[in-house]
Amino acid sequence: QVQLVESGGSVVQPGRSLRLSCAASGFTFSTYLMHWVRQTPGKGLEWVALIWYDGSNRFYADSVKGRFTISRDNSKNTLYLEMNSLRAEDTAVYYCATEILGDYAFDYWGQGTLVTVSS
Amino acid sequence: QAGLTQPPSVSKGLRQTATLTCTGNNNNVGNEGVAWLQQLQGHPPKLLSYRNKNRPSGISERFSASRSGNTASLTITGLQPEDESDYYCSAWDSSLSAWVFGGGTKLTVL
Repeated sequence: QVQLVESGGSVVQPGRSLRLSCAASGFTFSTYLMHWVRQTPGKGLEWVALIWYDGSNRFYADSVKGRFTISRDNSKNTLYLEMNSLRAEDTAVYYCATEILGDYAFDYWGQGTLVTVSS
Repeated sequence: QAGLTQPPSVSKGLRQTATLTCTGNNNNVGNEGVAWLQQLQGHPPKLLSYRNKNRPSGISERFSASRSGNTASLTITGLQPEDESDYYCSAWDSSLSAWVFGGGTKLTVL
């Protein structure tokens, strides 16, 4: 079955960097679009970034554009999110999620990894 | 980025029917359509419906979705205690080249 396991979340000081990973299994990773979505504890969902199945297209939320980079390694079935110049408002649980091209939906979700930006 | 509009809360009785709404515009809800997600307390979201009305395998027929113009709806029939959850709508916004979410509706089953 589809499994997505995020890792890399931690407590980090404002202005520092962090890289999140999402290990995928149970499906053909290279044929799925992949997303990062975040959720501030007790609040709603916020889309962060999307990468095409072959990495040819990437899209970002305005709130992270220029600071975050989404990437993937299809040979390792792994999705990444490089986060630079972190701010307090980036504190959230970060989920990776799949999208089948044409479904326009977040089909499967990982359990999430918590990023806390605090001095 | 502007989001979709959902009522913050809806309360209905056991075995009743709840209809949750999600309003956007021609660039998102009225475009490629809406997906609905359920998020139980302490769990990641789970897909309930996509492209306005399609239900993934394994999702109960008690959940049905529709769209009329720029407003999408999720109808849950025969409400059960386990339906008490947060529900989110989402859509691709072609003018923003970004995904947008609604603020979520907390459904309480009385």
